[in-house]
Amino acid sequence: KAGVTQTPRYLIKTRGQQVTLSCSPISGHRSVSWYQQTPGQGLQFLFEYFSETQRNKGNFPGRFSGRQFSNSRSEMNVSTLELGDSALYLCASSLVPAGVTDTQYFGPGTRLTVL
Amino acid sequence: LAKTTQPISMDSYEGQEVNITCSHNNIATNDYITWYQQFPSQGPRFIIQGYKTKVTNEVASLFIPADRKSSTLSLPRVSLSDTAVYYCLVGAQADKLSFGAGTTVTVRA
Repeated sequence: KAGVTQTPRYLIKTRGQQVTLSCSPISGHRSVSWYQQTPGQGLQFLFEYFSETQRNKGNFPGRFSGRQFSNSRSEMNVSTLELGDSALYLCASSLVPAGVTDTQYFGPGTRLTVL
Repeated sequence: LAKTTQPISMDSYEGQEVNITCSHNNIATNDYITWYQQFPSQGPRFIIQGYKTKVTNEVASLFIPADRKSSTLSLPRVSLSDTAVYYCLVGAQADKLSFGAGTTVTVRA
């Protein structure tokens, strides 16, 4: 079974631009979560989607948004990019909402560099 | 949030057993404990998950004492390819997941 895929793997943008990242979960998985990973802050939760609905949102500004499609694929968008948005953006999928007994499986991530 | 604390780094040699202990004093009743392995520029890879006592799979064992305030990941007979960052994760819902700072394990020949 194919794992979680994320595109693109690498991205370079300049301040003020916007970016869209894509995530395809493992087949059959309906929950997708997004995380930001930086050397200083570690792994931080962005948001979680299940059946096209945002279930939870982390403590990030409104410039960070996402959505999920009917086939469970998810996109996240960052508008008005700032230098501090440079990070590895990780997507994780699970069968049902990430919870008590379910395991999240992570994709390889998208490395975003903002110049 | 159940805060986790784990050692920043550990060194080992090939063939040895590596034990990484994670403290999670404020773990909630419905929280599971999950460990992930991460290589540079890759997403975390699931290793093992448990709730209490001992769990074993083909790559690791997880020991959880009765009070569940800590857990120990045991990697038997490590090899150079086990050099990575290991994260202890405590929590149920995605927005309440608490990732530790990670333990960098370096395996030397």
